[in-house]
Amino acid sequence: ELKVEQNPLFLSMQEGKNYTIYCNYSTTSDRLYWYRQDPGKSLESLFVLLSNGAVKQEGRLMASLDTKARLSTLHITAAVHDLSATYFCAVEGATDSWGKLQFGAGTQVVVTP
Amino acid sequence: GAVVSQHPSWVICKSGTSVKIECRSLDFQATTMFWYRQFPKQSLMLMATSNEGSKATYEQGVEKDKFLINHASLTLSTLTVTSAHPEDSSFYICSARRGGDTEAFFGQGTRLTVV
Repeated sequence: ELKVEQNPLFLSMQEGKNYTIYCNYSTTSDRLYWYRQDPGKSLESLFVLLSNGAVKQEGRLMASLDTKARLSTLHITAAVHDLSATYFCAVEGATDSWGKLQFGAGTQVVVTP
Repeated sequence: GAVVSQHPSWVICKSGTSVKIECRSLDFQATTMFWYRQFPKQSLMLMATSNEGSKATYEQGVEKDKFLINHASLTLSTLTVTSAHPEDSSFYICSARRGGDTEAFFGQGTRLTVV
């Protein structure tokens, strides 16, 4: 059974500082996704990571994937208030679970001055 | 492109009644649609997977007779919560995916409140 562990669950950030969210998963997978969710809203896709060593960056966010370690990280550079949200990683199962996503518990991010 | 629309965005129903939620892919044909449920302050949990023209596949612990899923066309899937009870109150989110795509696209979600 695929399990996805995300930590920390809560992250209080100071504006201007850097932080990292970690996502570990238990079985082989080559597809990992990062999403952002604002209160009361659905998911916004941030990154799709499809291979070992994949690194993607958008603005202050950078995500990477190490399939051998079964670990993905979401790095936030110089946090700003607009980044306050809940961030989820999700892992797609193996071939017989095409498209099915197992989500991490989510990391609630609060950015303060 | 790749827009998925859910309707309604929110619904309040009385205990014991049924409510239908629609999930439409507006600009593409979805091979597969997925239904997730999210309780407050929790993560998303996959409920079921549906393919057009075939029976939905439910995840363990999800009552298929309570959560009826119909995927009658490549652009529409519906979730009907039958005999709803307050514990069914949740945020229901669908996603849709084409065969060649690397990711599924999420709808805006439906907040169900059963009173």
